Amino acid sequence: EVQLVESGGGLVKPGGSLRLSCAASGFTFSSYSMNWVRQAPGKGLEWVSSISHSSSYIYYADSVKGRLTISRDYAKNSLYLQMNSLRAEDTAVYYCARSSWGSGWFFDYWGQGTLVTVSS
Amino acid sequence: EIVLTQSPGTLSLSPGERATLSCRASQSVSTSYVAWYQQKPGQAPRLFIYGASSRATGIPDRFSGSGSGTDFTLTISRLEPEDFAVYYCQQYGSSPWTFGQGTKVEIK
Repeated sequence: EVQLVESGGGLVKPGGSLRLSCAASGFTFSSYSMNWVRQAPGKGLEWVSSISHSSSYIYYADSVKGRLTISRDYAKNSLYLQMNSLRAEDTAVYYCARSSWGSGWFFDYWGQGTLVTVSS
Repeated sequence: EIVLTQSPGTLSLSPGERATLSCRASQSVSTSYVAWYQQKPGQAPRLFIYGASSRATGIPDRFSGSGSGTDFTLTISRLEPEDFAVYYCQQYGSSPWTFGQGTKVEIK
C-alpha cells in the first residue's frame, strides 16, 4: 500500500524557517517523481514544487522560487521541503504527492498534509 | 502560465442526477494533460481522472472525463451520496502546473 506521511509543520514567525519531511513507503521511491502542493485555509490547491525520480529536474512555482528548496533522500525514502524567509501567505496545509515518471505531472497519491502557520 | 477556470462554482443536485463540471483553460493544454481530483472536508485530494479521460485506479465508471484544447469536462452520470465534494481540475501540460479554483457539488 502506498503511504506518504508528512511531518515538520508548525507555527513559525515571518522570516523564519521550517523543514518539511515526507516519508514514503509501499512503492519504489527512486522510480517516481515527487511533489509538494499546498492549500491555504479555506482556499484551493496550489502546486509548489516538483522533483523528478532522478532529481535531474526540479521545478518551483514563482511564488516560492528562491525561498523554498525541494530535495529527496533515496536511502531514507524521503522527500523534503526546506522553507526559508517564510511569509504570512505561505500559511497552508502542505501535501506531499507522487507522480509517475513519464506519465506526466499529475498526482496519483497524496499524503494527509502538514499545517504550516506563519504568524507573529 | 495557464489559468484554469472552473464552472459553476457550486452545483446543487440530488442523488441520482447527472453532474457536468466544466474546466476552461486560458490557452491550449498540450496532449490533453488534464487531471481531475475530488476533495472532501478534512481530507487530502484524490485523483479521479488523468489524461483528460482516463479513470484512476478504483474510480467507478459513473465518472468520465472528456475534452481537448481549452475545454474539459468531468461528468458524473448518476450522483451517489459519497460523490458530494469539491472537484478540482489541474493541467500538467506546461509548467507551472496549475489548478482550477474548484467546483463544489452539494446536495440539493
